[in-house]
Amino acid sequence: DTEVTQTPKHLVMGMTNKKSLKCEQHMGHRAMYWYKQKAKKPPELMFVYSYEKLSINESVPSRFSPECPNSSLLNLHLHALQPEDSALYLCASSQESETLAGVDTQYFGPGTRLTVL
Amino acid sequence: AQKITQTQPGMFVQEKEAVTLDCTYDTSDPSYGLFWYKQPSSGEMIFLIYQGSYDQQNATEGRYSLNFQKARKSANLVISASQLGDSAMYFCAMREGTNNAGNMLTFGGGTRLMVKP
Repeated sequence: DTEVTQTPKHLVMGMTNKKSLKCEQHMGHRAMYWYKQKAKKPPELMFVYSYEKLSINESVPSRFSPECPNSSLLNLHLHALQPEDSALYLCASSQESETLAGVDTQYFGPGTRLTVL
Repeated sequence: AQKITQTQPGMFVQEKEAVTLDCTYDTSDPSYGLFWYKQPSSGEMIFLIYQGSYDQQNATEGRYSLNFQKARKSANLVISASQLGDSAMYFCAMREGTNNAGNMLTFGGGTRLMVKP
């Protein structure tokens, strides 16, 4: 089973709202990722959690706050977003294998389409 | 410099014909992995196929095969017997195997494939 789930599927929020995106995987993967994708562009990495610890933060504004409550769950807390933050937010997970260089396939969820008004 | 280059922004193919999507990459790391993902209009990134830098044979997964030419640094995706459901955006991505690269995937700009009935 290579399923990563994300909720909600769509989210519309105002600039003063606080909301959260949720991601879940039950593949025993130890790395989880948040990506942001604008239309007709490739995904851009935001955060990486490895063994429940934040290992990469790609200089993301503080209005995005990630949280990894346990190895299966990943949240992205949103506060005071701007209209330019409207995008598809993708979650992914991977085994975090160190045994074979390069072999660490990331499996993605269906994404949350976020619109900031 | 671009690490992953996909030179075809859009392509048409007739149903039941084969199509090749181009991908060239740039790395000095001897250990790396190359991935292809499919993204339909629904947004989910679907993993298709993987090729490791040390793999002796080209990877194949059903109708998908990867034409790996290491000396030319190319990793083209071949889809045989195209189907209408193959219409989507296709991304080539690379993970470099050194520790400094962490868990980062570098994506190309994508190729939009449209299958004609």
